[in-house]
Amino acid sequence: AQSVTQLGSHVSVSEGALVLLRCNYSSSVPPYLFWYVQYPNQGLQLLLKYTSAATLVKGINGFEAEFKKSETSFHLTKPSAHMSDAAEYFCAVIPNQGGKLIFGQGTELSVKP
Amino acid sequence: NAGVMQNPRHLVRRRGQEARLRCSPMKGHSHVYWYRQLPEEGLKFMVYLQKENIIDESGMPKERFSAEFPKEGPSILRIQQVVRGDSAAYFCASSPGQGWNTGELFFGEGSRLTVL
Repeated sequence: AQSVTQLGSHVSVSEGALVLLRCNYSSSVPPYLFWYVQYPNQGLQLLLKYTSAATLVKGINGFEAEFKKSETSFHLTKPSAHMSDAAEYFCAVIPNQGGKLIFGQGTELSVKP
Repeated sequence: NAGVMQNPRHLVRRRGQEARLRCSPMKGHSHVYWYRQLPEEGLKFMVYLQKENIIDESGMPKERFSAEFPKEGPSILRIQQVVRGDSAAYFCASSPGQGWNTGELFFGEGSRLTVL
């Protein structure tokens, strides 16, 4: 079954530092890939998505992700972390044949002042 | 607010009782999805419904769980004879068309079920 793996359940960075959240997918054919963010006690919000167009995808709040087929990765980055970025981030995939949106385990991002 | 509305936000039940969770999709959306988030785990797909139809229920436990999306009114996720292991956050999402193909699901704020 196709899936996504998020490396690191907790990531802590200092305010102003680079944010890097890792996501790898398992698929022989490039799927559709997504990053969602969940703020405390809220639902999920779409940050960005890759649907086989440009490999570098820009999302909201200054986040971006790069699709790398050779590494089967779709890591999320932001050059400079803000306190307001503290949340849980989920990588998700729609397998190439379509079907349900499958989520990774999530990575909790903490931002230290 | 025209977002996905879920209620109740918090529900406490004793073992053996029934839990009913409601979801009103965004205006104009006819596709509803239910996901469950267990503590320290990601979101697990449960069921995908359109009006009066269950499209995919491959993530639903075989017993005690059911879902519906009637022609009128909200979608309902029903859990009979709850057990402690049912304690989780249940999220509803909606999309205007076949959200599977775009991944753009719009999520509610979740219903948090606690089973005592």
